[in-house]
Amino acid sequence: EAQVTQNPRYLITVTGKKLTVTCSQNMNHEYMSWYRQDPGLGLRQIYYSMNVEVTDKGDVPEGYKVSRKEKRNFPLILESPSPNQTSLYFCASSTRQGKRDRGQNTEAFFGQGTRLTVV
Amino acid sequence: DQQVKQNSPSLSVQEGRISILNCDYTNSMFDYFLWYKKYPAEGPTFLISISSIKDKNEDGRFTVFLNKSAKHLSLHIVPSQPGDSAVYFCAASPRWDNFNKFYFGSGTKLNVKP
Repeated sequence: EAQVTQNPRYLITVTGKKLTVTCSQNMNHEYMSWYRQDPGLGLRQIYYSMNVEVTDKGDVPEGYKVSRKEKRNFPLILESPSPNQTSLYFCASSTRQGKRDRGQNTEAFFGQGTRLTVV
Repeated sequence: DQQVKQNSPSLSVQEGRISILNCDYTNSMFDYFLWYKKYPAEGPTFLISISSIKDKNEDGRFTVFLNKSAKHLSLHIVPSQPGDSAVYFCAASPRWDNFNKFYFGSGTKLNVKP
């Protein structure tokens, strides 16, 4: 079954304690990204990766790090979490836009989300 | 400033009637549009998409309409069912940007009453 798996689903932590949220996909997708969902703001992209060892900032990258050492994994790292990073986080993966040109869907597949609370 | 806007945070519809969810965008370079559906405690799931070369795309009870001149798209659900109750996100993707970047609206919560 095609899926994007995030862990943990729920996490409560204290300010400044480093944490990692893992993300893994089994669809051999080149493109992976992290979003955060906040009330009234929808989903905003934090970081993305176009392939192994290729990552770049999205719209709200401050306070986050990522790595892409393997194609299937794209962990999100909060080196020193702060309360304003309390949010619902989603990992997503998709295939190349080129397939869209050939009429194939290039929608993003999302993980189930990680509810993070920083106190 | 959000480039994709869903101005209705919520919508309530009677079962069997039509649900119309609206979305506006500001960037004329967007060329691919999608609707996602999200249930509580789950990730968004893809529902339907439309390319800018079309003005309509249908999939069963779901139809997406695109009006490029007005920079507006809408999702029609006919007939609406209680299982359709969820948050719906509109998303847009530009051809020029890092491929497959999606810009999302803030979502519309649909409640279909039995």
